[in-house]
Amino acid sequence: NAGVMQNPRHLVRRRGQEARLRCSPMKGHSHVYWYRQLPEEGLKFMVYLQKENIIDESGMPKERFSAEFPKEGPSILRIQQVVRGDSAAYFCASQVAPITDTQYFGPGTRLTVL
Amino acid sequence: QQQVKQSPQSLIVQKGGISIINCAYENTAFDYFPWYQQFPGKGPALLIAIRPDVSEKKEGRFTISFNKSAKQFSLHIMDSQPGDSATYFCAASSSGGSNYKLTFGKGTLLTVNP
Repeated sequence: NAGVMQNPRHLVRRRGQEARLRCSPMKGHSHVYWYRQLPEEGLKFMVYLQKENIIDESGMPKERFSAEFPKEGPSILRIQQVVRGDSAAYFCASQVAPITDTQYFGPGTRLTVL
Repeated sequence: QQQVKQSPQSLIVQKGGISIINCAYENTAFDYFPWYQQFPGKGPALLIAIRPDVSEKKEGRFTISFNKSAKQFSLHIMDSQPGDSATYFCAASSSGGSNYKLTFGKGTLLTVNP
């Protein structure tokens, strides 16, 4: 059973470009969380999605950031017009259902904005 | 507002020693407390977790102690090994509303010297 997959693992963008981060949850998992990890910091919640629904986006910046989890395909975290402050590691975690607590994390995408 | 405070920031232990990492939380709605281990360049991996209905949980060399009245919990690593050298994060979530978003501490960098 493959774990949570994220791609790309490393992404370099220039200021003003768009970044698209992909997350494929574990098989059978229909709940996805995105977290951001800044250097020397813990992970901070961004958004919680179920298939075709955004459940909680309270941790997402109001502008430039969006997320989706379509019926088919991976979850996408999209950052428009990136700025240097967006440089961080972005992790997604998947969960079977709210019945169980355990979240399984992917290896992360390390975004560098030049 | 930092809802989960973790200490120490870094810890150096000799092989065979006991590593102790502490966390304190503020939100009394939290009812799930996992610990994650993260190696450089990797995603966090669940180590052990506890709910407030027990005061201690042990899995192999890893033990969580939980003090509900003090709103504190700690991770003890017995017989620490160089392979345990990693960053450890405590976290907390509330199952109310079926949203298990995790609130993380800032992490503890553990170094176990051979």
